[in-house]
Amino acid sequence: SQELEQSPQSLIVQEGKNLTINCTSSKTLYGLYWYKQKYGEGLIFLMMLQKGGEEKSHEKITAKLDEKKQQSSLHITASQPSHAGIYLCGAGLNSPDSGGSNYKLTFGKGTLLTVNP
Amino acid sequence: DTAVSQTPKYLVTQMGNDKSIKCEQNLGHDTMYWYKQDSKKFLKIMFSYNNKELIINETVPNRFSPKSPDKAHLNLHINSLELGDSAVYFCASSPRYNTEAFFGQGTRLTVV
Repeated sequence: SQELEQSPQSLIVQEGKNLTINCTSSKTLYGLYWYKQKYGEGLIFLMMLQKGGEEKSHEKITAKLDEKKQQSSLHITASQPSHAGIYLCGAGLNSPDSGGSNYKLTFGKGTLLTVNP
Repeated sequence: DTAVSQTPKYLVTQMGNDKSIKCEQNLGHDTMYWYKQDSKKFLKIMFSYNNKELIINETVPNRFSPKSPDKAHLNLHINSLELGDSAVYFCASSPRYNTEAFFGQGTRLTVV
């Protein structure tokens, strides 16, 4: 079973609309990372969240990590065509204190965002 | 200057061949990774090296062998290529194994 569940799998919005992408795990997340990928390109790091309840913003993108550190949301305000792409959440599913071999950055299946002008 | 660079960007080869993908990072990071992204865009970790030492080896066929000659390089060698190996392979690096990773542009491998 998928350890990190992202929803929705795909999303089509009109330019100017707000949207939210969710990332959920049944395990505690040790470091939650949001990335964006454009077709044919590598992953661009957006934000990292580590503490329960933490919230970060960059331009029109806000990411939150819940208090239990098992769910994160990515919110885009007033979406633009430049926001289009695949958004991936990644997280460490074992404590980094358990040793490097137990800590690995695992990714969700991604959310394909299309923003229509 | 590119922080994490992979070569080649595209690789088309026949079944049964052996090929290598090279990765270099100039960020001074201790940890490097190889990920495989399949046709459904699912990104799955294959290997992780920390200070040239292999620390993660997921369930990957023995035909895949990573080599880290130094902290800045992590190459991926694939023997006896199969059709199912077709995917985009991403190299990444991070300062340590529990921090954000920076990705290369990917190598699109097509086995025919």
